[in-house]
Amino acid sequence: SYELTQPPSVSVSPGQTASITCSGDRLGDKYICWYQQKSGQSPVLVIFQDRKRPSGIPERFSGSNSGNTATLTISGTQAVDEADYYCQAWDSSTVVFGGGTKLTVL
Amino acid sequence: EVQLVESGGGLVQPGGSLRLSCAASGFTFGSHVMTWVRQAPGKGLEWVASMSGRGGKPYYADSVKGRFTVSRDNSQNTLYLEMNTVRGEDMAVYYCAKDWQQLEAWGQGTLVTVSS
Repeated sequence: SYELTQPPSVSVSPGQTASITCSGDRLGDKYICWYQQKSGQSPVLVIFQDRKRPSGIPERFSGSNSGNTATLTISGTQAVDEADYYCQAWDSSTVVFGGGTKLTVL
Repeated sequence: EVQLVESGGGLVQPGGSLRLSCAASGFTFGSHVMTWVRQAPGKGLEWVASMSGRGGKPYYADSVKGRFTVSRDNSQNTLYLEMNTVRGEDMAVYYCAKDWQQLEAWGQGTLVTVSS
C-alpha cells in the first residue's frame, strides 16, 4: 500500500516561513492536498491539487509537489497557524494520509 | 453552505455493533463521493471508507474490510457506516467528509468508545 511520510514536528518563529514536507514514491505524479487541524477541531482543507487554495484560506499558505516530495509553505507564520498538518493523496481508489506534523510557533 | 452532521457514536462493547450517520446539506449529495475518516485519541487521520455517488460503489481500508459497511440514502442526503465486530482499535472520532480526492468539507465528528 502507498505510504506518505511527514516529520513529526516543525518549529517556526512568528513572521518566519514554515515548510512542512510530505514524501512518497513518485509523489509528484499524484495530486496532494493538505489539511490543518487545530486542537479539538475538525480538519480543514488548506491546499488541494498540489497548490490551489480553497476560498477563505489565507494567501500565506502555498504548496508544491515534485519528484518524491510535496511541501506546504506558510509565509509570515502567525500564532493562529499553530496546528497539526496532514498531507493526503489518492491512490488506487484509496485515500492515504501522512502521519501528521505538529507545527509549533515559538 | 456545506454542512455535515455526524451522529450515532457512543459506547460499544468489543465484538458489538454500531451504526453511524452523517446528514448532509448545502450541496447535491448524490453527485459526490462521500468518505469516512477516523482519528484515534492522540493519533493521526485514518481513511475508513468511501462510497461513490449515484452508483453506490463502496471502497474500504484493509483495517475495516469485512467488518464495516458504508451505505447511503441519496433521497435523505445521508451517509451511513455500519460497524460490526468492533475492536478496541476502532475507538476513535469518526468524521464524514465530502469527496475523496480532496476532502473539501468535514463534519464535527462522532466519538466511538470501545469498552466492556
